[in-house]
Amino acid sequence: EAEVAQSPRYKITEKSQAVAFWCDPISGHATLYWYRQILGQGPELLVQFQDESVVDDSQLPKDRFSAERLKGVDSTLKIQPAELGDSAMYLCASSSTSGTGLSEQYFGPGTRLTVT
Amino acid sequence: QKEVEQDPGPLSVPEGAIVSLNCTYSNSAFQYFMWYRQYSRKGPELLMYTYSSGNKEDGRFTAQVDKSSKYISLFIRDSQPSDSATYLCATNTGGFKTIFGAGTRLFVKA
Repeated sequence: EAEVAQSPRYKITEKSQAVAFWCDPISGHATLYWYRQILGQGPELLVQFQDESVVDDSQLPKDRFSAERLKGVDSTLKIQPAELGDSAMYLCASSSTSGTGLSEQYFGPGTRLTVT
Repeated sequence: QKEVEQDPGPLSVPEGAIVSLNCTYSNSAFQYFMWYRQYSRKGPELLMYTYSSGNKEDGRFTAQVDKSSKYISLFIRDSQPSDSATYLCATNTGGFKTIFGAGTRLFVKA
């Protein structure tokens, strides 16, 4: 069964350091999402790609976060510099379509980030 | 006010009980209503979704939407210890963005 892959699964970093997360969506899925899930809360959308284009990054803290999906396949989310409040689970999801109607999002296992 | 409100629990029930999980939402434009299940240290997985008002049943699970009161429910019959997880409600206008509730932690005791 096809799955969304994410790495690393766990990351501990010091405040002010740079950190990067990688996501490989299900093959053929044009839409890719990055979510942040703080403990005890639901996932919050950070950025959404349709192929290689960003369609929504309104909640991405652009002073420190960046995301790219250069060839419309895998994607990288970067934080520089990391802050204590960035400690959370970072989830990647993909879906086959977006826009009108509902397309099921398939989530990866997430990267648990701890900033010390 | 959050767009989707959900009681975080935790909710603890004995095996075999009927479980009722609920959410409220504020935006009348929401048309799709989803329930995701998230096990510890895993990503969410879609359990069920409904479009507009009404009921939808899948095995032991029933999803219910009342658009007039902006109320979403998930019922689990004959609950099992394997149902222990966090249940997230979510809504979507049919466009790009899905809004999630905070999730309710459910514990089913054997």
